[in-house]
Amino acid sequence: ETGVTQSPTHLIKTRGQQVTLRCSSQSGHNTVSWYQQALGQGPQFIFQYYREEENGRGNFPPRFSGLQFPNYSSELNVNALELDDSALYLCASSLAQNGYTFGSGTRLTVV
Amino acid sequence: AQSVTQLDSQVPVFEEAPVELRCNYSSSVSVYLFWYVQYPNQGLQLLLKYLSGSTLVKGINGFEAEFNKSQTSFHLRKPSVHISDTAEYFCAVSDLSTGGFKTIFGAGTRLFVKA
Repeated sequence: ETGVTQSPTHLIKTRGQQVTLRCSSQSGHNTVSWYQQALGQGPQFIFQYYREEENGRGNFPPRFSGLQFPNYSSELNVNALELDDSALYLCASSLAQNGYTFGSGTRLTVV
Repeated sequence: AQSVTQLDSQVPVFEEAPVELRCNYSSSVSVYLFWYVQYPNQGLQLLLKYLSGSTLVKGINGFEAEFNKSQTSFHLRKPSVHISDTAEYFCAVSDLSTGGFKTIFGAGTRLFVKA
């Protein structure tokens, strides 16, 4: 059984640029959630996708967007990057509400 | 709106001593509750979960937690900790009245086990 895979592991971008982060969910999981974890804080909910549709969204601006594909993999896109977007971005897959399986995250640094 | 409060930001404890990490939540009647552990530079790993049934939940690595509905608490315990338990621990809640799609995390408790 494969776990959740995220790519890339690290990324450095310039303010104003756009970034795409990728996630392959665990086999059999049909729901993907994305979280932002700033240094020293708990994960903050960005949004969730279920069967390719956005299923809920946290308090993040529209420049944070996502996609889920038929194989349940997912992308997180962030436009017009700001310095405060620097964080660890975590992807988590699940089946129903049985708890998440997390990937190791993508560390994004905006300079 | 649901929220999760982890009452201690850091908990230092000696090896082989017992430990309790406290968690309180504010939500509607029906919730799912979780504890996750995060080791440095890694994602989060599910320790245990309460979905329904017995209020005492046992998880991996010898951890257990007790759901107390009247006190809206879900404290994590381990009778004897090891150096390898040093990590960040997160309490999380899913509010079923909102469809349960959104899991909210606390700010975390850093457990530091000393030799």
